[in-house]
Formats: sequence, C-alpha cells, structure tokens
Amino acid sequence: AQSVTQLGSHVSVSEGALVLLRCNYSSSVPPYLFWYVQYPNQGLQLLLKYTTGATLVKGINGFEAEFKKSETSFHLTKPSAHMSDAAEYFCAVIELTVSGNTPLVFGKGTRLSVIA
Amino acid sequence: KAGVTQTPRYLIKTRGQQVTLSCSPISGHRSVSWYQQTPGQGLQFLFEYFSETQRNKGNFPGRFSGRQFSNSRSEMNVSTLELGDSALYLCASSLAFDHQTDTQYFGPGTRLTVL
Repeated sequence: AQSVTQLGSHVSVSEGALVLLRCNYSSSVPPYLFWYVQYPNQGLQLLLKYTTGATLVKGINGFEAEFKKSETSFHLTKPSAHMSDAAEYFCAVIELTVSGNTPLVFGKGTRLSVIA
Repeated sequence: KAGVTQTPRYLIKTRGQQVTLSCSPISGHRSVSWYQQTPGQGLQFLFEYFSETQRNKGNFPGRFSGRQFSNSRSEMNVSTLELGDSALYLCASSLAFDHQTDTQYFGPGTRLTVL
C-alpha cells in the first residue's frame, strides 16, 4: 500500500527566505502526487499535482515541486516566503490500480510559520 | 461557480447519539469523497460516491455510513457516537471518478465535537 511521509511537522522560515517542505512516498508503481494547503478554519486547496510528464511541476502562489523517482520524493519549494504562506501543507498520493484509482492518501502535514 | 458546501459547520453531540452531515458538491460534479481529520490520525479517507454508488470505502467501523442522492448531494451518518469521533469532517467533490485528471475540491468541513 502506498504511504506518504512528511519530514517535519513544523517548519519556520523568515519572510523572504526559501521554503522547503519535504515529502517522501512509498509506492510499488508510479504514483500520482499532490500538494494541498489548508488555511485556518478552511478546507484543503490544491497547490499542484504530478501525474505524468515533466517532473518539475509549477503550482499556484509561486510554489513548485519536483518529482524524483530515484529518491521517491516530491518536495515543495517556494523561493521567497510571504506572510500569507503560513498554513498547513499536506502531501498526498494516489496509485493507479487495475480496479481504478485509490483515494487520496495524505501525509501528516507540515505547519509552516513565516516570521516577519 | 459556488464551491463545495458543507452543513452544518459546527456540531456538538453527546456520546451515543447519531449525527448526519451534509455535502453539496460543485455544480456538475458527480463524485463526492469524505475524509476525517484529527490531530492524531491526520486525514483519513472514509468513502467515495459516484453516481449514487459507493466506489471506495476506508477502514472505518460500520457506524460510519454514507449515501449520495441523484442530484449528487451526499450525506454521511455516524451512529452511536464516541469521543474519538470528534474531528473535522471534510467533503471533496470532483467531476468524475478519475483522480488523475479530476481535481478534488474540498469544502470547509464540519467540526464535530462529541462530549
């Protein structure tokens, strides 16, 4: 069964600094990978997703992620953090099976704090 | 276009009671998924419905059930509530069943507190 590990339950960066949120997955077949963001008292919003094709994926709000099969990783980055980026970020995976897609399997989440 | 709507937003119940949560998907979306979010377990998949049929089910006890109506609206029911059922219940809708191509859009959730 597929699983997702997010390293660091809490990451703190200064405004303007690089944001790096780590995600590793385990899957027996090529996965489909997602990053979602959750702001306080809100649902999840899709930031970006990787299905096939280019391994560097650009998303909304200046975020991007790179699929590295050899490292089984899908880390999320943003060159310059903004105060509005403070939120909880979830990495998720689905795995294509013969019976159809599986549901989203989420990591535990990483809370990003941005310090002025 | 209106987003995913969940009602009620907040709910307080006592142990042993039952509760019904409602989700209205984005217009035109036919797939609805439910997730439970808790601080300890994180986000866990409950079930998914497409065209009124349950397509997938997570590893939850039979006290958790759901259904989907012909207009794609969905309800989930939890019977004999336990303290551990306190959670944020999130609903997500998508156009169809193919999660590779169909983005899931999440509602704001229903915060259930069991006393």
